[in-house]
Amino acid sequence: AQSVTQLGSHVSVSEGALVLLRCNYSSSVPPYLFWYVQYPNQGLQLLLKYTSAATLVKGINGFEAEFKKSETSFHLTKPSAHMSDAAEYFCAVSENQAGTALIFGKGTTLSVSS
Amino acid sequence: GAVVSQHPSRVICKSGTSVKIECRSLDFQATTMFWYRQFPKQSLMLMATSNEGSKATYEQGVEKDKFLINHASLTLSTLTVTSAHPEDSSFYICSALAGALYNEQFFGPGTRLTVL
Repeated sequence: AQSVTQLGSHVSVSEGALVLLRCNYSSSVPPYLFWYVQYPNQGLQLLLKYTSAATLVKGINGFEAEFKKSETSFHLTKPSAHMSDAAEYFCAVSENQAGTALIFGKGTTLSVSS
Repeated sequence: GAVVSQHPSRVICKSGTSVKIECRSLDFQATTMFWYRQFPKQSLMLMATSNEGSKATYEQGVEKDKFLINHASLTLSTLTVTSAHPEDSSFYICSALAGALYNEQFFGPGTRLTVL
């Protein structure tokens, strides 16, 4: 069985500050991991995904995430937050690269203040 | 990336009526589509997997007679909430698997259902 835990339901940062959103996973098989962003009343947009090709994954909008097997983590980071980064972020796990039957974490709301 | 649309974006209906939500892949064919439900401030929960030309596979706890799914073509899946009640009010999101093109699933913008 697979599961995802996102630590911190709400993260607040100042514009220009480092963004760190935490995600830990549990999987009995090699996992495929995803980060999605959701803006209010919109669907999900894929930020990045880990497919075992490289442990450091770079995504859109300056985000990146590092897969650490020893820590079962896949934390999302961005060096400098922008006001437009304010949104809901979901970490998800799947048994395959296409991300079918995704298991989502509960989400983290990112607030960015000026 | 590939585009998935949903219609309507918002719907308000009276208790006891049925509501149909459409999910379309606009620029690719999707043999598999997924339907999710999202409660306010919560995560997405997979409701069912829809395969073109066959019956949908429902997740445990999802009433298949309540949430009718039809995937009649490679670009269209529909979710019909039958005899809707206020507890069915939620945000419904579909996604389509663009396996041949991108090997990932693309999400629609969601449909906000409010049952009065």
